Amino acid sequence: GAVVSQHPSRVICKSGTSVKIECRSLDFQATTMFWYRQFPKQSLMLMATSNEGSKATYEQGVEKDKFLINHASLTLSTLTVTSAHPEDSSFYICSAAGLAYTGELFFGEGSRLTVL
Amino acid sequence: QKEVEQNSGPLSVPEGAIASLNCTYSDRGSQSFFWYRQYSGKSPELIMFIYSNGDKEDGRFTAQLNKASQYVSLLIRDSQPSDSATYLCAALSGGYQKVTFGTGTKLQVIP
Repeated sequence: GAVVSQHPSRVICKSGTSVKIECRSLDFQATTMFWYRQFPKQSLMLMATSNEGSKATYEQGVEKDKFLINHASLTLSTLTVTSAHPEDSSFYICSAAGLAYTGELFFGEGSRLTVL
Repeated sequence: QKEVEQNSGPLSVPEGAIASLNCTYSDRGSQSFFWYRQYSGKSPELIMFIYSNGDKEDGRFTAQLNKASQYVSLLIRDSQPSDSATYLCAALSGGYQKVTFGTGTKLQVIP
């Protein structure tokens, strides 16, 4: 399967600060990247879908000004959690898809964010 | 609200037995279905996908799809302790090309 790398794997920050998470596709060109969030003992919830070179499409209830997504190249997308609060503490996971996308998702390692 | 539903478990099976994981979905327009395995603290990894009615086998894993009943299952033969994980069922909707996940079933394989 496709190789997707995510960094950092863990981050702890103070409330009110911003945190950037990177997602890279290592062996293919990712025309689309998906950002998911997973709270403990819950399923993955899609936050947004980003296509290279265009604005991300956010799911209902996800604040686009709080969760900034940039997909400037075919191998890199970033998620910035701005003015983080403790309730933003979660496991954030990205997935990348190429032109041949048929629904199969290959995930990055995930980033566990803890906001103090 | 298009949903994918799974029993949260835990499902406990002895080593060597067959584990049967089930999933139902509400969107009749769903095209493809996926099973992911997620170890605690890790991101999901794809095990299998299926889009045609019937069975699909891959090693110890068999996915089963019944579109009339809106039902998907995953059988794991000769279960191993290393299979202990949460198994997520997912469906790709027809209209929006969006993947919806179930809440997952926790499987425990007892040595």
